[in-house]
Formats: sequence, C-alpha cells, structure tokens
Amino acid sequence: TQLLEQSPQFLSIQEGENLTVYCNSSSVFSSLQWYRQEPGEGPVLLVTVVTGGEVKKLKRLTFQFGDARKDSSLHITAAQPGDTGLYLCAGVRDMRFGAGTRLTVKP
Amino acid sequence: NAGVTQTPKFRILKIGQSMTLQCTQDMNHNYMYWYRQDPGMGLKLIYYSVGAGITDKGEVPNGYNVSRSTTEDFPLRLELAAPSQTSVYFCASSLDFNTGELFFGEGSRLTVL
Repeated sequence: TQLLEQSPQFLSIQEGENLTVYCNSSSVFSSLQWYRQEPGEGPVLLVTVVTGGEVKKLKRLTFQFGDARKDSSLHITAAQPGDTGLYLCAGVRDMRFGAGTRLTVKP
Repeated sequence: NAGVTQTPKFRILKIGQSMTLQCTQDMNHNYMYWYRQDPGMGLKLIYYSVGAGITDKGEVPNGYNVSRSTTEDFPLRLELAAPSQTSVYFCASSLDFNTGELFFGEGSRLTVL
C-alpha cells in the first residue's frame, strides 16, 4: 500500500495570495496526478506528472514532481475565489488518493 | 456528452435494506472504479474492474459487491446497509491504466438511518 499524505489539510487565504500544497509518500510512484473537486461534483484532473524533477504549468498553477518521485507540490500564484475546492493527489497505478487539501480563497 | 452517469443522486436507506448504485459510461473505457468519500475526506477505493467479467477488491470492499457484465455498466450493490456506509459514492472510468485520467460521475449521496 502506497500511502499519500497531503498537507495542509485546510487552507484559507485572501484573493491575490500565493500558496503551496504538498503531497508526500515514503514510496516511489511511477506517476502522480492532481485533481480538483468542487462541492457536489466529482474530481476533475488537473495534471499528470511522470518524470522525476518534472515541472508543469497550467496558467497560475505550477506542479512539481520530486526528483525521487516520492513527493509532489502544487503552487498557485495570485489565488482567485474560483480556485476554491478540494485538491487531491493520486498515485496512478495505485488508484489511491490522498485525503486532500481543502482550499478556500476569500474575495 | 454523457461521460459517466450515476443513479440515483440521492437515497435514504434504513439499516438492513439493500440497494444498487448504477454506473454507466459511454466512452468505451475498459477500466472502471467505485470510490466512497466520507465528509471532509479523500476517496477510498471500494472495487475496480479492468474489463467486462473482471473485478477486484480495493481498500474498503466489505459490505459491497460489484459485477461487470458489459463494458458500459459497473453497478455497486450494498447488502444489509449499515450507518457506516453513509457516504458519497463516486464511479469513475479510465482508458489507460498506466497514465490514464479518471473521469468521474457526479456522485450518489447515500444516507443509512
């Protein structure tokens, strides 16, 4: 079992602030995914990271996969209220999710 | 575009009752999954299927059963419902097991009283 630990569990910030959330494991992953889930909906894929050290950018979101492929981070620049949601990381072949970081961005 | 469709969206059960959550996908995906999500928590895998006729247990299979007679359908059966099964259930499908995106339904909210 490859456990994924996400931190922080909750994060409440003001619009315009920057933030970073983390996904860590003691195991090596072939690839990791980040999903965002809004209330009353299913999660939606944001990105898949495959290569150790990889950095992917999606507009104001920057995703990084650790060199050892055991951890990943999501950095949001100039957060907006539309970024509010539950951010989940998942091990691809493992089919398992972390507990998530619940982000609230206040106007 | 339908994607993954779950029914019902809401259901209240009494302890000991049984029911089936339906899941259908129209993307011709071989891989399908059932997850449950408890309040404020992430997703826990109940069962998954890699193709018609093939199913396997996930992290939390006790109290549930599944079948996969067609590529499109992956129903989840709850036998003898218990309050611990109160949760939101999500069905998902994917095309590729190794790097594939999971496509989720909108969820089925189940309350057992």
